[in-house]
Amino acid sequence: GENVEQHPSTLSVQEGDSAVIKCTYSDSASNYFPWYKQELGKRPQLIIDIRSNVGEKKDQRIAVTLNKTAKHFSLHITETQPEDSAVYFCAAQIPTGANNLFFGTGTRLTVIP
Amino acid sequence: ETGVTQTPRHLVMGMTNKKSLKCEQHLGHNAMYWYKQSAKKPLELMFVYNFKEQTENNSVPSRFSPECPNSSHLFLHLHTLQPEDSALYLCASSPNTDTQYFGPGTRLTVL
Repeated sequence: GENVEQHPSTLSVQEGDSAVIKCTYSDSASNYFPWYKQELGKRPQLIIDIRSNVGEKKDQRIAVTLNKTAKHFSLHITETQPEDSAVYFCAAQIPTGANNLFFGTGTRLTVIP
Repeated sequence: ETGVTQTPRHLVMGMTNKKSLKCEQHLGHNAMYWYKQSAKKPLELMFVYNFKEQTENNSVPSRFSPECPNSSHLFLHLHTLQPEDSALYLCASSPNTDTQYFGPGTRLTVL
């Protein structure tokens, strides 16, 4: 099956700086890569996703890049704000009938005011 | 925020109890999932139902028993659990595309 590794496990940045979280995956058949944000005590919420036919996607301060050759994808948050503090999970999906997502272990991002 | 709901939000049970977790989705999705979220571990997929049929069972112990009576409801029946089963249990649903939407979770504590 798919194996997703995520780094770093914790990340602290000053407000206004950028944050980058990286994930690698093992199965070259994976074709869908969502990112979820989970605030303390709340549900994981989809913040951005990318499919394998695209190399980069941006939504305001959030962007995701995908390198299929190297099998890694990254989340970039610019101009960080305290409300960006949360745990971020990457995931990869192999196209099977079960829609299974394989998650990374999460990155706890702290934005220091 | 109310597309996928879960009850109860918190549950404390003894190892000999029997309880059930409930998930309901109001999004018209055809697939539903149970995940276990423990501290410092990736989200662990437990069960997948697609059009009410179970399509995945990731080697989950038999003390966890899922039930999907229709495409909008999903249950997780619990019996004779162990303390290590204490975790946040998340339900999710998805349409025929890939994106999964999560419920708020049930925080389970097994004494």
